[in-house]
Amino acid sequence: EVQLVESGGGLIQPGGSLRLSCAASGFTVSSNYMSWVRQAPGKGLEWVSVIYSGGSTYYADSVKGRFTISRDNSKNTLYLQMNSLRAEDTAVYYCARESYYYDSSGYYYYYGMDVWGQGTTVTVSS
Amino acid sequence: SSELTQDPAVSVALGQTVRITCQGDSLRSYYASWYQQKPGQAPVLVIYGKNNRPSGIPDRFSGSSSGNTASLTITGAQAEDEADYYCNSRDSSGNSRVFGGGTKLTVL
Repeated sequence: EVQLVESGGGLIQPGGSLRLSCAASGFTVSSNYMSWVRQAPGKGLEWVSVIYSGGSTYYADSVKGRFTISRDNSKNTLYLQMNSLRAEDTAVYYCARESYYYDSSGYYYYYGMDVWGQGTTVTVSS
Repeated sequence: SSELTQDPAVSVALGQTVRITCQGDSLRSYYASWYQQKPGQAPVLVIYGKNNRPSGIPDRFSGSSSGNTASLTITGAQAEDEADYYCNSRDSSGNSRVFGGGTKLTVL
């Protein structure tokens, strides 16, 4: 069964650090594009970061320089290292597998996020 | 970065058809994908690409696009379709992603 399970959330003081984990089963993290998405209480979805199968990483402006996405191929696990946390980072954090297709010319079609974890809650508060 | 704009709320009578729209410059270049999210649950992909449904998604869900606007149509809305719906796409840079603000669908 294809599944993602997040962990590592909790209560952290402003300025602190936290590392989220996302353990995958049923597929290989390193062969896929993987994203982190967050949702603040009562708010909409916000994309946070993506790591491509080749290792390239990209971030939302709101977290650039503070968050780092990575993966451990031996553990088939995705991570999000969050530093210098702020109150506005309080949210449920989801990891998600991206679906895509490359055509013969090398152009890739983004087909959205087809597998999601259940989410882990991060609360930044003193 | 770029933005995707959705109406905050839409309502539909049981069994009727409803269209939820998403506007943004990036949609001129990239497909939108659509997600359904019910309270306390993770989002679920319902439409991707030109008009594709993942396995298990009812065929009453369909997608379309024109210019800078993508649409999700539910033909014959059911009570269980009451949820928040989000559109999502690559942003104008191509490497970031962006979500719309979400549309709360009420089935009357």
